[in-house]
Amino acid sequence: EDQVTQSPEALRLQEGESSSLNCSYTVSGLRGLFWYRQDPGKGPEFLFTLYSAGEEKEKERLKATLTKKESFLHITAPKPEDSATYLCAVPFITQGGSEKLVFGKGTKLTVNP
Amino acid sequence: GAGVSQSPRYKVTKRGQDVALRCDPISGHVSLYWYRQALGQGPEFLTYFNYEAQQDKSGLPNDRFSAERPEGSISTLTIQRTEQRDSAMYRCASSFRQGFLETQYFGPGTRLLVL
Repeated sequence: EDQVTQSPEALRLQEGESSSLNCSYTVSGLRGLFWYRQDPGKGPEFLFTLYSAGEEKEKERLKATLTKKESFLHITAPKPEDSATYLCAVPFITQGGSEKLVFGKGTKLTVNP
Repeated sequence: GAGVSQSPRYKVTKRGQDVALRCDPISGHVSLYWYRQALGQGPEFLTYFNYEAQQDKSGLPNDRFSAERPEGSISTLTIQRTEQRDSAMYRCASSFRQGFLETQYFGPGTRLLVL
């Protein structure tokens, strides 16, 4: 069954301590992958779209990369305001031919000052 | 312009009652999506519309759930005869163009609590 798996579930970093979040997926013919940030009590906020393996996108301290099997969200020198849950999502075509966006469970990032 | 808005933001209802959740997408956005999000989980796809046409409702949990978007703008998700297991955050998103490679912009959600 197609699925999206994110790891770790939770990550605690000290301010300035760089790290990476992982999103792996099982889908034939990946057409794209989305990264979202979600703050408590709010809806997901769009960060990046990656369309093909080898693609990279950056925004401030965040850089998203994509391979054929997984995506990484690299966080360089994080600050406390980067604390949030980071979600990845992949479009799937179901066996019935319909399409939907499938989200991972997210990685809850906490950056301590 | 304004982002996606949803109302009410919070809804407490008694088991067996019907509820209607409203989504007002970003002006001009063609596609509208409904999701349900449990605590500690990512959003789970329910259904979506291109303009006023409901394209797929296979994600709706059962026939107590229905959605409409009669004029291709505002959408309503209706849950009939609510049950406690329906308690969740219901989120709406919209995108400027059709297709699941388009960026979806999410609203703040409606938190439903069924007592």
